[in-house]
Amino acid sequence: GAVVSQHPSWVICKSGTSVKIECRSLDFQATTMFWYRQFPKQSLMLMATSNEGSKATYEQGVEKDKFLINHASLTLSTLTVTSAHPEDSSFYICSARMRQSSSYEQYFGPGTRLTVT
Amino acid sequence: KNEVEQSPQNLTAQEGEFITINCSYSVGISALHWLQQHPGGGIVSLFMLSSGKKKHGRLIATINIQEKHSSLHITASHPRDSAVYICAVGGGSEKLVFGKGTKLTVNP
Repeated sequence: GAVVSQHPSWVICKSGTSVKIECRSLDFQATTMFWYRQFPKQSLMLMATSNEGSKATYEQGVEKDKFLINHASLTLSTLTVTSAHPEDSSFYICSARMRQSSSYEQYFGPGTRLTVT
Repeated sequence: KNEVEQSPQNLTAQEGEFITINCSYSVGISALHWLQQHPGGGIVSLFMLSSGKKKHGRLIATINIQEKHSSLHITASHPRDSAVYICAVGGGSEKLVFGKGTKLTVNP
């Protein structure tokens, strides 16, 4: 089946530093990747939609200059949290849509837990 | 009213019991997803449905498009099934709307 990986699985960083999270589709090409954030005991919230080769579309309330998304290839999207603050501590999850999929399958990565100290 | 409602919010069962988790939605959809999230946070896609019924091992998912309702069933439940089960629906925009999840605890 379709597999999506994320790296790292967890990261601790100091306030003010930047952190990059990678999302890879391992055995398929993904024209669209989605980035979600999940705070404790809450639902996943969509942050942005990333299409290969074009700028990401951010959801209302998500700062595009703080959460930089790059989707440079059909198998890789990255999310960079710039100048991280403790309130950015969260669980970040990506999902990928298979290229030329006739239906809206989304395959989820295992998530990255970010802790900002 | 949330667009995706799950019930129950919490469910405790004894090993071997038959489990049902429900999901109702109010938006038009192209597909409905059932996801499993373990305590460590990792998410596993269980099913994607647009009609009818799907079965994988001890898991069965059904959807009724007319009634805008889906159910996830677990037969012969086991402690390792303990997790949060999330229903998510997708419309033509591809964006998924998530339910708040059902926390299942299966006791040995």
